[in-house]
Amino acid sequence: EPEVTQTPSHQVTQMGQEVILRCVPISNHLYFYWYRQILGQKVEFLVSFYNNEISEKSEIFDDQFSVERPDGSNFTLKIRSTKLEDSAMYFCASSRPPEQYFGPGTRLTVT
Amino acid sequence: DAKTTQPPSMDCAEGRAANLPCNHSTISGNEYVYWYRQIHSQGPQYIIHGLKNNETNEMASLIITEDRKSSTLILPHATLRDTAVYYCIVRPHLRDNYGQNFVFGPGTRLSVLP
Repeated sequence: EPEVTQTPSHQVTQMGQEVILRCVPISNHLYFYWYRQILGQKVEFLVSFYNNEISEKSEIFDDQFSVERPDGSNFTLKIRSTKLEDSAMYFCASSRPPEQYFGPGTRLTVT
Repeated sequence: DAKTTQPPSMDCAEGRAANLPCNHSTISGNEYVYWYRQIHSQGPQYIIHGLKNNETNEMASLIITEDRKSSTLILPHATLRDTAVYYCIVRPHLRDNYGQNFVFGPGTRLSVLP
């Protein structure tokens, strides 16, 4: 059964550094998403992407964040200058739609 | 904010049916009811969704009341591996925004006990 994959599974970075989180969505899906979950808190929507552009974004997704689909398979989330409060699980999801399928997540730890 | 209300936690004996309730009294006519679960810190896993008819798949059954103000997710024979947080989410199917995001609430923490 096809699934969403994410790399790396765990990323440790220093405050102020740039990080890129990578996702490979399910191949025939059309919509792509990033969500995050701070430890012990709810899953929060960050951004959705369709037809090579952002279709919706939350207040969390500020100028420090960007997304890209550099080729036909990868979907990336870049955080330009990480802050301590960016430490969280980041989940990528894809959709045909309507239901979304989530990847296993990347645990980002900012020190 | 999430438009659903769920009990924060429930227990279920292994092998018995787990019935997880959800209230969505302000649901609109074009909103579907979705259920996801999250096992430990893994990514949310899609379970089932429906509009007004009851739905069943290999994982679960979804019972939606006639007035659509509440629903119940049924896991017919719960196993220890069904221990997870279960999220009930309502979301519209809009022709011009078919890929709208999901809004997750705190969900119900289901513990399946041996």
